[in-house]
Amino acid sequence: KAGVTQTPRYLIKTRGQQVTLSCSPISGHRSVSWYQQTPGQGLQFLFEYFSETQRNKGNFPGRFSGRQFSNSRSEMNVSTLELGDSALYLCASTRDQGTDTQYFGPGTRLTVL
Amino acid sequence: TQLLEQSPQFLSIQEGENLTVYCNSSSVFSSLQWYRQEPGEGPVLLVTVVTGGEVKKLKRLTFQFGDARKDSSLHITAAQPGDTGLYLCAGDAGANNLFFGTGTRLTVIP
Repeated sequence: KAGVTQTPRYLIKTRGQQVTLSCSPISGHRSVSWYQQTPGQGLQFLFEYFSETQRNKGNFPGRFSGRQFSNSRSEMNVSTLELGDSALYLCASTRDQGTDTQYFGPGTRLTVL
Repeated sequence: TQLLEQSPQFLSIQEGENLTVYCNSSSVFSSLQWYRQEPGEGPVLLVTVVTGGEVKKLKRLTFQFGDARKDSSLHITAAQPGDTGLYLCAGDAGANNLFFGTGTRLTVIP
């Protein structure tokens, strides 16, 4: 069974631009969570989608948004990029809500210049 | 505000040595998970502990959940170079929201 895939793996943008990252969950998984990982702040929860609905949101500004499609694939968008948005963005998929194991993808490394 | 602090932040040891990593919280979690992350990859789940006082073993790794479910420890016996990585504890904050600790970067020198 294929794991969680994220595209692209690496991305370089400049300040003020916007970016869209994609996450394809494990087949049959309906929940997708997004996390930001930086050396200073560690891994921080962005938001979680389940059946195309955002169920939970972390403490990030409105520039960070996401959506989920009917096939459970998810995208996250960051508008008006700032230098501090440089990070590894990870998504994780879960079969359902609750305490199911989250399976992480390899991440998208975003660099903002 | 929930806070999960791990110690030590960095650890460099010789192959064959034992080590313990600590994860301490100011909050009670319904469950706590330990992950290992290698460069260029996402975290991979090692274990989930649910019951206060629970001890789980995974080969040379021993995980313990504190009685009050606010702290946990990971003990590695006879560390090997393959154990090198970033170890993360994470508390279950509900609705597939994991609250991650600050991380411990372990290097095992051959």
